[in-house]
Amino acid sequence: GEDVEQSLFLSVREGDSSVINCTYTDSSSTYLYWYKQEPGAGLQLLTYIFSNMDMKQDQRLTVLLNKKDKHLSLRIADTQTGDSAIYFCAEMVGGYQKVTFGTGTKLQVIP
Amino acid sequence: DVKVTQSSRYLVKRTGEKVFLECVQDMDHENMFWYRQDPGLGLRLIYFSYDVKMKEKGDIPEGYSVSREKKERFSLILESASTNQTSMYLCASRLTGGGETQYFGPGTRLLVL
Repeated sequence: GEDVEQSLFLSVREGDSSVINCTYTDSSSTYLYWYKQEPGAGLQLLTYIFSNMDMKQDQRLTVLLNKKDKHLSLRIADTQTGDSAIYFCAEMVGGYQKVTFGTGTKLQVIP
Repeated sequence: DVKVTQSSRYLVKRTGEKVFLECVQDMDHENMFWYRQDPGLGLRLIYFSYDVKMKEKGDIPEGYSVSREKKERFSLILESASTNQTSMYLCASRLTGGGETQYFGPGTRLLVL
């Protein structure tokens, strides 16, 4: 079955790098996503990676995928106070429309 | 720019009331979804729809029903609200196709007394 797990909290200092980790269980995942949810708002897509990729970089964001260990990470370089939010990883399995979300990691950036 | 709107940001209802949550998207997306979000549990899928008048149960459909009479509108119905349905409800829509992102509405925070 599908299960996506994340740690609940992460606290970093402004200017440091943040690394948010995620593990999933379904080896047939096709796409893996990172979403950001700011307070009082819905989720917004940050980036996604196709399952045949190992890494994807987009400005301050780096996504690493380790398919062998079913581990996905999101690195935010030079973390800013505006990065404070809840970050969700999510996976899509096969050709289905259903996407399974993780529990979310609340990132707190300390000035 | 895709827009997903939800009829209410905050809602307070009493136990036993029938509750309607409405969601509208303006980008002609085939797929629409209802999730509930609870602390420590992330997002859990209640129902989804891949076409007009079509619906599929998600992971936690008990106590809910849905309606999709028009492509742009997907309604979530709580037939008889209970206190354990107090939650944040998020609607999303998505095009059919690999890798397409889901676009989320702002959410409805429902309190059932």
